[in-house]
Amino acid sequence: DTEVTQTPKHLVMGMTNKKSLKCEQHMGHRAMYWYKQKAKKPPELMFVYSYEKLSINESVPSRFSPECPNSSLLNLHLHALQPEDSALYLCASTQDLYRRRGTEAFFGQGTRLTVV
Amino acid sequence: AQTVTQSQPEMSVQEAETVTLSCTYDTSESDYYLFWYKQPPSRQMILVIRQEAYKQQNATENRFSVNFQKAAKSFSLKISDSQLGDAAMYFCVLGQGGSEKLVFGQGTKLTVNP
Repeated sequence: DTEVTQTPKHLVMGMTNKKSLKCEQHMGHRAMYWYKQKAKKPPELMFVYSYEKLSINESVPSRFSPECPNSSLLNLHLHALQPEDSALYLCASTQDLYRRRGTEAFFGQGTRLTVV
Repeated sequence: AQTVTQSQPEMSVQEAETVTLSCTYDTSESDYYLFWYKQPPSRQMILVIRQEAYKQQNATENRFSVNFQKAAKSFSLKISDSQLGDAAMYFCVLGQGGSEKLVFGQGTKLTVNP
């Protein structure tokens, strides 16, 4: 199984809603990532979890709240988002980079989020 | 700071022909690696090819090969016998040893004409 599964694939939410994005992998990877991608742009890193602990937060607004309940699961909780937060949200995972350098990142298909 | 530059926002190629996508990068690290990722309209980012900086030999994966010029900090991707399924956005990506961060180029949109 070399898949990263993201749900839902599409999400429309109002600015007062609370929703969550889910990401799951069963490859035994210990680093998991959230990226935000605007149309025709490269992904922008938001958060990194390494061994279930938050290791990088790229100064993301607090209306985005990540959670890593276990080594296979990564959530992104959304609250009071703005229309400019509409984007494709990608999850990725890698093996422990500190032990296996050069390993590739596996990406999910993303969640297309629209904030209305 | 690490940077990746893709100078070709868009490229097109005829089916069965060969196309080369350009990428230059900058890093002060000696332990790094480079990737080309493909993102088709289906949105999923897929690894095309990987190159470790310490390896002099250029990586190849079937119809995909790279020209890695370390001194020039250049990492181009050659696609031979282009197929319609190769149409996608291609990202050149830099990774550092011991770091979780990946640095993406701006991408090159490849169109394959039948």
